[in-house]
Amino acid sequence: GNSVTQMEGPVTLSEEAFLTINCTYTATGYPSLFWYVQYPGEGLQLLLKATKADDKGSNKGFEATYRKETTSFHLEKGSVQVSDSAVYFCALSYSGYSTLTFGKGTMLLVSP
Amino acid sequence: DAGVTQSPTHLIKTRGQQVTLRCSPKSGHDTVSWYQQALGQGPQFIFQYYEEEERQRGNFPDRFSGHQFPNYSSELNVNALLLGDSALYLCASSLIQGEGETQYFGPGTRLLVL
Repeated sequence: GNSVTQMEGPVTLSEEAFLTINCTYTATGYPSLFWYVQYPGEGLQLLLKATKADDKGSNKGFEATYRKETTSFHLEKGSVQVSDSAVYFCALSYSGYSTLTFGKGTMLLVSP
Repeated sequence: DAGVTQSPTHLIKTRGQQVTLRCSPKSGHDTVSWYQQALGQGPQFIFQYYEEEERQRGNFPDRFSGHQFPNYSSELNVNALLLGDSALYLCASSLIQGEGETQYFGPGTRLLVL
C-alpha cells in the first residue's frame, strides 16, 4: 500500500537557521505530493504541493521538489522564523481520488 | 470566501454514547472527506462523500457513518463510542477534478471519550 515516512522530531533550530525536513514515500504510479502545516490547536493548512516529477512547490519561503528517482519530497526553508514553529505533515494523493495519505508529522521548534 | 467550518469545536462524551459532528465545505466545493487524528499522529482517512454518496472509505469500522446533504455539507456519526475514539476529527473539502483535487481542512472537532 501507499505510505509516507517523515523524519522524526522535534527539529529544534535557532531563528534564521536553514531547515530541511525529510519526506520519502512508497506508492505506485505518480501521486501528487503535499506539505501541510498544523499550528498548535488548529487544523491543517496547505503549505505547498507538486503534481508531477521535478515540479517544485513553493510558498512563504518554503520549497520542496518532487524527486521521482529517490521517491522524496523534502521540505526546505533558507531562514526560519519563530512563527514557523508548528507540526509539518507530508502527504500524497492520486488524481481522481483526492484522499490523502499522511506521514506522522515532524514538529519544528524555532527559538529566538 | 468562507473556508471549511466545523462544529462543535470540542465535545466530551462517555463510552457507549453516540456523537454527530458537522462540516460545511469551502464555497464552491462539492466533496467532503473526514479524517481522524489521534494525538501525536498524522490524520487517518475515514471516508469521502460526493453527490450525497460515500465515494471511498478507509479502514474504519461500521460504527463510523456519514451523510452529505444537497448543499454539500456533511455529518460524521460515531456510535458506541470507545475510549480510543478520542481524537481530533478533521473535515476537508475539495472540488472533483479541480485544482488537482487539493483538499482544504477545517479547524477540527476535538472529541474526548471518558
